[in-house]
Amino acid sequence: GAGVSQTPSNKVTEKGKYVELRCDPISGHTALYWYRQSLGQGPEFLIYFQGTGAADDSGLPNDRFFAVRPEGSVSTLKIQRTERGDSAVYLCASSPATGGAFFGQGTRLTVV
Amino acid sequence: AQKITQTQPGMFVQEKEAVTLDCTYDTSDQSYGLFWYKQPSSGEMIFLIYQGSYDEQNATEGRYSLNFQKARKSANLVISASQLGDSAMYFCATDGGATNKLIFGTGTLLAVQP
Repeated sequence: GAGVSQTPSNKVTEKGKYVELRCDPISGHTALYWYRQSLGQGPEFLIYFQGTGAADDSGLPNDRFFAVRPEGSVSTLKIQRTERGDSAVYLCASSPATGGAFFGQGTRLTVV
Repeated sequence: AQKITQTQPGMFVQEKEAVTLDCTYDTSDQSYGLFWYKQPSSGEMIFLIYQGSYDEQNATEGRYSLNFQKARKSANLVISASQLGDSAMYFCATDGGATNKLIFGTGTLLAVQP
């Protein structure tokens, strides 16, 4: 596709449930990032993939959060046992080798 | 560790006038990039302009220019001839280390008044 695609655009889930958020990056971009943006804040880094491997997962808040990118393209962010504090917009960005980050529209996660 | 500070939570500007959005940064890296993104109410992050730390000229992209003052560690965004469509949140960011992850400030909400 022309841009970074994230699905779903909105997700409402009950506390304690498991959710998966998908990111389809721009074709050919080897680097992929996940960020989380809480209300009134700037995006905060969660995890970075270079190809299939997670090169930096230092931003993941705890072990309930996990992300994969098995074929070096689409990535899935997985959140187990969701808590109300996980409610935020989850942004995905991909980058070409030349640098710069192109963001998707985000997934708004609401945990009730 | 890198840090971005945006001290203006909100700004007003009259249509067709210029406005400056402030950004200061802190980094221990010798080579780094500075970015500005626009986030309208629809939520997408739109890349506006980039300045490399070794670039001698201030970056410009259309109506956007970046006033880069390395000694003061500031990277202010100047928007000339403001338009109503410029109303949005604006985020300053720097890239951190080998992974180029972006570190964002808290943003400035710009309102352009007719």
